[in-house]
Amino acid sequence: GAVVSQHPSWVICKSGTSVKIECRSLDFQATTMFWYRQFPKQSLMLMATSNEGSKATYEQGVEKDKFLINHASLTLSTLTVTSAHPEDSSFYICSARQAGVYNQPQHFGDGTRLSIL
Amino acid sequence: AQSVTQLDSHVSVSEGTPVLLRCNYSSSYSPSLFWYVQHPNKGLQLLLKYTSAATLVKGINGFEAEFKKSETSFHLTKPSAHMSDAAEYFCVVSESSSNTGKLIFGQGTTLQVKP
Repeated sequence: GAVVSQHPSWVICKSGTSVKIECRSLDFQATTMFWYRQFPKQSLMLMATSNEGSKATYEQGVEKDKFLINHASLTLSTLTVTSAHPEDSSFYICSARQAGVYNQPQHFGDGTRLSIL
Repeated sequence: AQSVTQLDSHVSVSEGTPVLLRCNYSSSYSPSLFWYVQHPNKGLQLLLKYTSAATLVKGINGFEAEFKKSETSFHLTKPSAHMSDAAEYFCVVSESSSNTGKLIFGQGTTLQVKP
């Protein structure tokens, strides 16, 4: 149980393209999902908290107009990297926390490797 | 403020020998603590969690961790390493003060297992 599916797993695209990444909780409902960015050999950096039916909460230094988050249902959150540039290349990981259950662990997707040429 | 420190950035063991990955935390509240493992180009898999129940927590794949409040530690151990254990390990504390669910990550420990 508690499976989080992230798609796509790899994206290679040209500079200036917008890229959408999907994060789905397959067997549970998630009012809250989280988006992380991970640079090589480093830990995860929280970008934003995605809340179902409301605006995402962004961490300091993360451009909300650059990284658009939509959490339209209890099982799906999307991250759109708008007008991507090479410096946006990274490993993006989402996670989801089961709704209504306190102190439950976050369940992670397998990540998306984004390469901007 | 809560924080997590993983004391070793890299640990190397021989297959069949014990594993010890060290983690210290700082928290003003009763913390929820987790260990996650990450294999290359993959997301994170939960190994085990501590949420104020038993101080010795057993996880998957033979791993366990002991919560020691007096030492503010939550070290991860395994009696006998397997080649498949080679991966990146993260000690994580949940930000419990506001129930935001935010996680605070340690910097990670790379476990190398030699044949």
